[in-house]
Amino acid sequence: EIVMTQSPATLSVSPGERATLSCRASQSISSTLAWYQQKPGQAPRLLIFGASTRATGIPARFSGSGSGTEFTLAISSLQSEDFAVYYCQQYNNWPLTFGGGTKVEIK
Amino acid sequence: QVQLVESGGGVVQPGRSLRLSCAASGFSLSRNDIHWVRQAPGKGLEWVAVLWYDGTEKYNADLVQGRFTLSRDDSKNTLDLQMNSLRAEDTAVYYCARPGDSWGQGTLVTVSS
Repeated sequence: EIVMTQSPATLSVSPGERATLSCRASQSISSTLAWYQQKPGQAPRLLIFGASTRATGIPARFSGSGSGTEFTLAISSLQSEDFAVYYCQQYNNWPLTFGGGTKVEIK
Repeated sequence: QVQLVESGGGVVQPGRSLRLSCAASGFSLSRNDIHWVRQAPGKGLEWVAVLWYDGTEKYNADLVQGRFTLSRDDSKNTLDLQMNSLRAEDTAVYYCARPGDSWGQGTLVTVSS
């Protein structure tokens, strides 16, 4: 099983600032990585797939990069609605696996 | 409107069974790959299983250990997750999802004596 490790566990950011979230895979997964956003009491929402392609309707302030084992999700200017938990997920190997999540909180 | 709605969750004793259902509207399950993902209270996401449009299924073997089975009813446009020999560690919100654009609201399964 591929282990996905996200860092940091919690990120404190002020509104309008940039946030950078990291995700590392225990082995190479090429670009088969997705990022999800989850708010309390809600289902996850797909933000990014293919490591860098924004899903339909996702604002341009969200960007993904990386390949192989190292990936990054950047949020260029945090809005109030962006404070949430973010998960990365690999879909290169079975079983599909998620990272433990990064909580982005208001500083 | 594309929508998925889960049902069937509840409180069940360890060792008992429960059947979850995922009802789709706005699209046909028989033409889509649908996943089940679960989330234990206060924890992260865990992939459970997928049923591909052609009926092929795949499970998270270590998690399921042969206890869960998927079945689809094309006439009702529903996908069921039969869960047997439930354990306390199966306690979670279970989501069905077409990962790209549609997730249900989840149904809570609590395994407790």
